[in-house]
Amino acid sequence: GQNIDQPTEMTATEGAIVQINCTYQTSGFNGLFWYQQHAGEAPTFLSYNVLDGLEEKGRFSSFLSRSKGYSYLLLKELQMKDSASYLCGTGFQKLVFGTGTRLLVSP
Amino acid sequence: EAGVTQFPSHSVIEKGQTVTLRCDPISGHDNLYWYRRVMGKEIKFLLHFVKESKQDESGMPNNRFLAERTGGTYSTLKVQPAELEDSGVYFCASRGGGPPYEQYFGPGTRLTVT
Repeated sequence: GQNIDQPTEMTATEGAIVQINCTYQTSGFNGLFWYQQHAGEAPTFLSYNVLDGLEEKGRFSSFLSRSKGYSYLLLKELQMKDSASYLCGTGFQKLVFGTGTRLLVSP
Repeated sequence: EAGVTQFPSHSVIEKGQTVTLRCDPISGHDNLYWYRRVMGKEIKFLLHFVKESKQDESGMPNNRFLAERTGGTYSTLKVQPAELEDSGVYFCASRGGGPPYEQYFGPGTRLTVT
């Protein structure tokens, strides 16, 4: 089976840095995805890690450790528009998601 | 490039009625997926089409759910008869044949069964 855990909610201040952690247990590993979802909108792709290490993409970075079953999403220079749910997911065709971390960025 | 579209955006029906949800994937995407999010739970996979063929329907809850993708373009998901526990947001996603591997999601259809 597959199990993904991430914090339910986080708060941070505009301009700060926040790290959203995700741990996973899968019977087979086909990569780890991060999606962002604003309320009432479609989840949008942020990152995909299949090898260990850090992938940087602008203000967002994603890290993966396959041996530890662990990933994190790092958001720098937080903006109000970053307030959203962040979904950690694994899989290739059949994505398995965690329940998502709701991030609230305050002024 | 147009994204994945879904229709309707909201649907409220009574228990026992039938509802059909529609998904139009990104043009040229052979892979089409249906997911569902029940309130308070995670997004869960329902099924996967490659063109018009069902590749994996392991997530379909029961035989009240019927998905089709005639012609390998748009897809429909019919719920008949609807039950209270079918309420949730139904997402459609599509993906091309090779990398990048991300699935592009539609905005979802919010289904409420009363």
